[in-house]
Amino acid sequence: QKEVEQNSGPLSVPEGAIASLNCTYSDRVSQSFFWYRQYSGKSPELIMSIYSNGDKEDGRFTAQLNKASQYVSLLIRDSQPSDSATYLCAVKRIYGQNFVFGPGTRLSVLP
Amino acid sequence: EPEVTQTPSHQVTQMGQEVILRCVPISNHLYFYWYRQILGQKVEFLVSFYNNEISEKSEIFDDQFSVERPDGSNFTLKIRSTKLEDSAMYFCASSEAGDTDTQYFGPGTRLTVL
Repeated sequence: QKEVEQNSGPLSVPEGAIASLNCTYSDRVSQSFFWYRQYSGKSPELIMSIYSNGDKEDGRFTAQLNKASQYVSLLIRDSQPSDSATYLCAVKRIYGQNFVFGPGTRLSVLP
Repeated sequence: EPEVTQTPSHQVTQMGQEVILRCVPISNHLYFYWYRQILGQKVEFLVSFYNNEISEKSEIFDDQFSVERPDGSNFTLKIRSTKLEDSAMYFCASSEAGDTDTQYFGPGTRLTVL
């Protein structure tokens, strides 16, 4: 079973719409959860982290965590063409410093 | 704003050759990491380094890989005998000792093995 799974996409949404990105993870002892954005040919950049069940909002971004279902999501409100990128879900175990990344979901925001 | 830098941006080498990828972490950071991303695939952890020794490594980080902090600013990844499957983007990252959740990634070195 893959550790972190995401739909590969592409997910296409019109400008101004809400984009919903999903991620599931297999390791129940996972402690910390992250969303990264990666533009083509560039390095990952951190968007948000979430540690507790529920929602966490930061500007146009909302991360949602459900540990019982082993599910993390990212909502992007008022999507802009500049949001077009690959979104990586990453998980950190309770012991250790490294991230386990999912394969990423490619988002395309259409003008 | 301080940032992680990596050199070279692109390295081309012949199979079997040794390569050294270089990174300059953010100056007050004490944890350093290497990740790789094969084209079209996920980002994979290779190794983390703290207090002049490896603190964690993945199954990918076998005997052909080594890391070193040769001086107070550089952090290097050496691949001893490159294989075709080592072709990938290699990202260096660094973090403060008390906050390994916040890792700052460098721009990457694209390694092409011919």
